[in-house]
Amino acid sequence: AQSVTQLGSHVSVSEGALVLLRCNYSSSVPPYLFWYVQYPNQGLQLLLKYTSAATLVKGINGFEAEFKKSETSFHLTKPSAHMSDAAEYFCAVTYSNNAGNMLTFGGGTRLMVKP
Amino acid sequence: NAGVTQTPKFQVLKTGQSMTLQCAQDMNHEYMSWYRQDPGMGLRLIHYSVGAGITDQGEVPNGYNVSRSTTEDFPLRLLSAAPSQTSVYFCASSFRTGRLNTEAFFGQGTRLTVV
Repeated sequence: AQSVTQLGSHVSVSEGALVLLRCNYSSSVPPYLFWYVQYPNQGLQLLLKYTSAATLVKGINGFEAEFKKSETSFHLTKPSAHMSDAAEYFCAVTYSNNAGNMLTFGGGTRLMVKP
Repeated sequence: NAGVTQTPKFQVLKTGQSMTLQCAQDMNHEYMSWYRQDPGMGLRLIHYSVGAGITDQGEVPNGYNVSRSTTEDFPLRLLSAAPSQTSVYFCASSFRTGRLNTEAFFGQGTRLTVV
C-alpha cells in the first residue's frame, strides 16, 4: 500500500522568498514520485518527476525536488517565489511495475504569494 | 495537440439522474483512469483501464461505471447521481516504456454539482 502526506494545506510566502512544500511518502516498493501543479479551474500539469535516476530533480518554472530515501521525503523547493507560482501543488506516488500506473495523491498544498 | 479532452466542463444534475462524463485521448496511451478531486483529499482513483476491454476498480468506485471499447475513449457513467458525488472529475492517460511507467497526462476536468 502507498500513501502520501503533504504537511500544510496552505503555505504563504512573500514574493522573492524561498518556497518549500513538504511531501512524505510511504511505499513498500521503490517509488516513482511526482509533483503536479494546478492553477485555478485547470487540470494538473507535471512539474517534475523522480523515477530512480538522479535524486535531485529539476522541473519547470525553477522548481526542484530532492528524493531522500532515508527520510521518505520528496520536498519541493524554489529559491525565489513569483506571484505566478500561486496555485495548488500535489505530490503523488506510484511504482515502476504498477499495472495501470495508478497514482496515490497527497491532499494538496495551496501556495499563496504575497507582494 | 489535443492530449486528454473531457466533456462537459460543467454539469448540474438532480439527485437520481444519470449521466456520462466523456474522456478521449489522442496519444495512443494504453492506460487511462478517472479521479475525483475533493477539498483537502487530493485526487482519489475511481476506475482505471490498462487497455481496451480491460477495466478495474480504484479506491472509490461505488456509484460509477466505466467501459473501454477503444484505446482512445474512457467514459465514466454515474448511474444515479447523489449529492456526495458533487466533485471535480479528472481523466488521465499514461503509457509504459518497457517496464517503466511514465507520468500521467490530465484533462481539464469536469465540475459536477448534484442538487
